[in-house]
Amino acid sequence: EIAMTQSPATLSVSPGERATLSCRASQSVGSNLAWYQQKPGQAPRLLLYGASTRATGIPDRFSGSGSGTEFTLTISSLQSEDFAVYYCQQYKDWLRTLTFGGGTKVEIK
Amino acid sequence: QAQLVQSGAGVKKPGTSVKVSCQASGYTFTMQYIHWVRQAPGEGLEWVGWINPNNENTNYAKNFQGRVSMTSDTSINTVYMELNRLTSDDTAAYYCAREFCSGGNCYAVFDVWGQGTMVIVSS
Repeated sequence: EIAMTQSPATLSVSPGERATLSCRASQSVGSNLAWYQQKPGQAPRLLLYGASTRATGIPDRFSGSGSGTEFTLTISSLQSEDFAVYYCQQYKDWLRTLTFGGGTKVEIK
Repeated sequence: QAQLVQSGAGVKKPGTSVKVSCQASGYTFTMQYIHWVRQAPGEGLEWVGWINPNNENTNYAKNFQGRVSMTSDTSINTVYMELNRLTSDDTAAYYCAREFCSGGNCYAVFDVWGQGTMVIVSS
């Protein structure tokens, strides 16, 4: 099973600053990597898929990069509504299993 | 607008079963897989499995094999997830989520989610 590891667990950022979140896969997942945002009491929201393609309606301050085992989610200028928990998910092996990272909480500094 | 609406929260005793429903609307129900994902309080996301609503083909995560069953009823655009032999570790919010399709391709990522069903397992 492919394990996903996110870092850091918590990221303290001031509004307007850049946030960089990392996600590492235990083996190559190609570009089969998605990112989600989750706010308290809500279901997750799809941000990016294919490692770098924004989902419908996602602002361009969210960008993704990477392939293989190392991935990055960048939020270029944090807005108040961006403080949330972010999860990565691999779907290379979707016929057998999907796995999520443990999440990164982006909090106000 | 595509939407998934889940059944309500519940409290179950250890050793019993729970069956959660997820009703779809606003799109062609049989065209996209439905996945189930759970989240224990204060914890991360855990994939449970998927079902093809068209033919009821399923795939379950190893952690749940032998204990979970997913079914669909195309007459009412609803999928069900039943989890047996509940323990306190099964206390979680259970989400159904639709796979994302674009340009004729579908991906095992989730663009539409249900509101979640909280299941509490307690004696």
